[in-house]
Amino acid sequence: GAGVSQSPSNKVTEKGKDVELRCDPISGHTALYWYRQRLGQGLEFLIYFQGNSAPDKSGLPSDRFSAERTGESVSTLTIQRTQQEDSAVYLCASSLAVWGGLRNRTDTQYFGPGTRLTVL
Amino acid sequence: KNQVEQSPQSLIILEGKNCTLQRNYTVSPFSNLRWYKQDTGRGPVSLTIMTFSENTKSNGRYTATLDADTKQSSLHITASQLSDSASYICVVTVNSGGYQKVTFGTGTKLQVIP
Repeated sequence: GAGVSQSPSNKVTEKGKDVELRCDPISGHTALYWYRQRLGQGLEFLIYFQGNSAPDKSGLPSDRFSAERTGESVSTLTIQRTQQEDSAVYLCASSLAVWGGLRNRTDTQYFGPGTRLTVL
Repeated sequence: KNQVEQSPQSLIILEGKNCTLQRNYTVSPFSNLRWYKQDTGRGPVSLTIMTFSENTKSNGRYTATLDADTKQSSLHITASQLSDSASYICVVTVNSGGYQKVTFGTGTKLQVIP
């Protein structure tokens, strides 16, 4: 079946402009994650959506970053007034995270190909 | 602060040899611990997933181990292949209040040479 898709694959923008990145998770996956990976660095968690619960925004680096998700479908990550340090690959992942009473099932995250953002 | 430190940061090995990547973590207990492989320019791919109560998990030539006493996990690669050249990342997930908090290791860059 179809995997996680992201668009655009590449985005070049000027400093100060706003950008919007899109993620289409695997159908039926309740959990959706956004990550950032700067050149030569490890993955950095940004935000996590779980069903209709309030998202975990603890990884967002500043108030210029925001993300939305409608139900269990598409998510958009918006970066306002972009700065050069925002240049990175932005990865989206989805999983079948299921919360079952006292026991939480382990899950596998399926990653999209990423959006490479370059801020000039 | 939850931390996941990996060693070595980079490693070069000959094709066919075995290697072991290690990581120390401070967060405990956790929901699950995962090792990912990330090829250059690609998204990470999950190799193994372990819960806090598991000691070992294998996936083909990859074997992950977990020592909760020393707070160490290792990823052992058997009979390395050129295609194993990639970054290997360890991720620890803690479930807190219905949300998942994810802590990433710094990653180990592995290069397998002929």
